[in-house]
Amino acid sequence: KQEVTQIPAALSVPEGENLVLNCSFTDSAIYNLQWFRQDPGKGLTSLLLIQSSQREQTSGRLNASLDKSSGRSTLYIAASQPGDSATYLCAVRGGGTSYGKLTFGQGTILTVHP
Amino acid sequence: KAGVTQTPRYLIKTRGQQVTLSCSPISGHRSVSWYQQTPGQGLQFLFEYFSETQRNKGNFPGRFSGRQFSNSRSEMNVSTLELGDSALYLCASSLGLGDRDYGYTFGSGTRLTVV
Repeated sequence: KQEVTQIPAALSVPEGENLVLNCSFTDSAIYNLQWFRQDPGKGLTSLLLIQSSQREQTSGRLNASLDKSSGRSTLYIAASQPGDSATYLCAVRGGGTSYGKLTFGQGTILTVHP
Repeated sequence: KAGVTQTPRYLIKTRGQQVTLSCSPISGHRSVSWYQQTPGQGLQFLFEYFSETQRNKGNFPGRFSGRQFSNSRSEMNVSTLELGDSALYLCASSLGLGDRDYGYTFGSGTRLTVV
């Protein structure tokens, strides 16, 4: 059974800092890994999708890496801003009987203060 | 292009009642998945539908059911509501068959409160 863990559970940083969010998963047989952002009471906004054959993806100030063999992914946020404050979730998409199912971590609550 | 649309946004129901939630996927997407989000359990997979067929199912009791129509719109139904069913219910759409390298797009969710 796939399990996804995110560290840290919460993070508070001053504006302008570069930061790293971590995600680990127990079963390396995944199709892809997706990072999402969730604002309080809202749905999920997709940030980055990394296919199993890729090592990293970049979008603006965000960079996500994937090491499938070790079951790890990191989300790097450069020059953080107060608007980045949200919960960040990683989710892996498995194969076999898990096809079509995303398994989520518990999320990292990020607070960026001015 | 329009995103994933979920209706209604908010619902308040009484224990024992039943409820139906609706999800319209992105145009051209044929797969619709449902998730339950609670503070204690986080995001948990309910089921996925593709071409009107349930393709995968999570570990939820039979009170939770769903269906998909020929236009890919999906509904989920919860019967005999319990207090513990209070949650944010999220719908996600994806292309469907052969889309293993594509991601999911989520709707804004339906907030269900059971009193």
